[in-house]
Amino acid sequence: GEDVEQSLFLSVREGDSSVINCTYTDSSSTYLYWYKQEPGAGLQLLTYIFSNMDMKQDQRLTVLLNKKDKHLSLRIADTQTGDSAIYFCAETQTLHSGGGADGLTFGKGTHLIIQP
Amino acid sequence: DVKVTQSSRYLVKRTGEKVFLECVQDMDHENMFWYRQDPGLGLRLIYFSYDVKMKEKGDIPEGYSVSREKKERFSLILESASTNQTSMYLCASSLRVAVPPIQQYFGPGTRLTVT
Repeated sequence: GEDVEQSLFLSVREGDSSVINCTYTDSSSTYLYWYKQEPGAGLQLLTYIFSNMDMKQDQRLTVLLNKKDKHLSLRIADTQTGDSAIYFCAETQTLHSGGGADGLTFGKGTHLIIQP
Repeated sequence: DVKVTQSSRYLVKRTGEKVFLECVQDMDHENMFWYRQDPGLGLRLIYFSYDVKMKEKGDIPEGYSVSREKKERFSLILESASTNQTSMYLCASSLRVAVPPIQQYFGPGTRLTVT
């Protein structure tokens, strides 16, 4: 079945770059996603990448996709205290055989800890 | 602005009680989901619903049931709460789309403690 793996913690200094890594198993995933969960809140979609792309950049965020190795990464440039959160990698999951109701399989989440 | 609300942020119940967790979305989404979130285990899908009165089991449905009588409301029911159901419960909703990308919108969560 589908499985998404990511490390549980990452600690970086304020101002440095953070790189959060993820591996996935479902090679048929057309999109891969990064969600962010701030303390005491639900998850919010941060960004996503189409599987025929290698890279996507959005301001301080860069997503890299290595489809051959099934490896996804999220780079946050100039990490700030407001980036402190749990980051979840996710891939598409087929939930309903009738189609059109696809869900997401989430990794366990990486806690990003910012050191002053 | 899209919104998913959950009836309680914090809930304390006793073992054996029947517990209702309510979720409401105002986006006219077809799909609704219930997850539980535990440290080191991430999000695990309990149940989802793709239409009114329609439901399907997720990865960990044991000990839970759901109800979707109206499109905007999805309820999670713990028939007889047990201590191993102490957790953070997250509700989400999404449009039914034939082709990704899929965006799920999450509520703030309900932290349930069963004593």
